[in-house]
Amino acid sequence: SQTIHQWPATLVQPVGSPLSLECTVEGTSNPNLYWYRQAAGRGLQLLFYSVGIGQISSEVPQNLSASRPQDRQFILSSKKLLLSDSGFYLCAWSVPRRSANEQFFGPGTRLTVL
Amino acid sequence: DQQVKQNSPSLSVQEGRISILNCDYTNSMFDYFLWYKKYPAEGPTFLISISSIKDKNEDGRFTVFLNKSAKHLSLHIVPSQPGDSAVYFCAASELTGGGNKLTFGTGTQLKVEL
Repeated sequence: SQTIHQWPATLVQPVGSPLSLECTVEGTSNPNLYWYRQAAGRGLQLLFYSVGIGQISSEVPQNLSASRPQDRQFILSSKKLLLSDSGFYLCAWSVPRRSANEQFFGPGTRLTVL
Repeated sequence: DQQVKQNSPSLSVQEGRISILNCDYTNSMFDYFLWYKKYPAEGPTFLISISSIKDKNEDGRFTVFLNKSAKHLSLHIVPSQPGDSAVYFCAASELTGGGNKLTFGTGTQLKVEL
């Protein structure tokens, strides 16, 4: 069966510090991968998605970047965090070209920027 | 520009009764609609989906109805159980470059009371 891991579960960082959140998927090959953010009281906003190694699409201009160095690894980064980067970050995967289009989410990382 | 809207931030229902969660969308290019359930500090869990070419899909206690002409969908839960208490997100899918993007609503907090 497929599983998706995210770490860390919680993170408190000062403004201006760098960020690296990691997501890995097990039990599937060549998944589509996604990063979402849920700000307080808001819905889930798609930040990045990837259909293959090194292929990243950005949905929203922002202070963050994403990379996919391996097939089942997706990394969310920032060089300098802003207060507005606080939120709940979720990684998700889906089967490419599957008709039902459901995405499966990891447990999330709660980021607080102080 | 909110392409997927859930206008009710909260809903309270008695155990055993029907819960009806509503969602409206604006983009005619969406090809699938999905419902997710989310507990605090966890990732969303996929519940049920419906293709844009259908008007109903049923899975156990969960039924999703799609009114394409009105650009409206709803999730019915019957009978409602206390364990159903969670935030429910409506999401709409569109294909893009080998993957699919999900656009989420802001969620409805469902509380099922004894």
